[in-house]
Amino acid sequence: KAGVTQTPRYLIKTRGQQVTLSCSPISGHRSVSWYQQTPGQGLQFLFEYFSETQRNKGNFPGRFSGRQFSNSRSEMNVSTLELGDSALYLCASSLESLNTGELFFGEGSRLTVL
Amino acid sequence: AQRVTQPEKLLSVFKGAPVELKCNYSYSGSPELFWYVQYSRQRLQLLLRHISRESIKGFTADLNKGETSFHLKKPFAQEEDSAMYYCAPEGRAGGTSYGKLTFGQGTILTVHP
Repeated sequence: KAGVTQTPRYLIKTRGQQVTLSCSPISGHRSVSWYQQTPGQGLQFLFEYFSETQRNKGNFPGRFSGRQFSNSRSEMNVSTLELGDSALYLCASSLESLNTGELFFGEGSRLTVL
Repeated sequence: AQRVTQPEKLLSVFKGAPVELKCNYSYSGSPELFWYVQYSRQRLQLLLRHISRESIKGFTADLNKGETSFHLKKPFAQEEDSAMYYCAPEGRAGGTSYGKLTFGQGTILTVHP
């Protein structure tokens, strides 16, 4: 069974640009969550999608958005990039919902904003 | 506010020594509790969950509701245990998940030979 796949793995952007990150969950998983990982803040929850609906959202500005498609694949978008958005963005999928507690993580997309 | 604290950013022990990684949480309701681990150059993965009451790779975690703690313990640390460990409560109310895990800051465990 293929694991969670995130693309691109690495990318460099400049301030003011926007970026779209993609996540393909494990086959059969309907819940996709996104996390931002930085050395200073650790892992911070961005949002969770289940059956194409955003069910939960963390404390991030509106520049951070996401969506989920009917095949459970998810994308997140960050507009008007700031230097502080440089981070590793992790996607995680789970079978039904976070009631199971077990998240399966991808390797992440490392974003550098110059 | 929901909060989880891992007071030790770094923890070093020698092989064969006991190890305890601390986790304290402040949550409304009755959270479900998990420990996740990230070994070098590997993905973040679930180590164990409280509800299972299981021991994984020799690790156990005890929930202390009075102290609101969920410390991870292992009696004899091994070099391969060196990794980043995250405590992660899942917010719940009335048995229903809030739909997200909140991760602590993480503790880097180094087990020396």
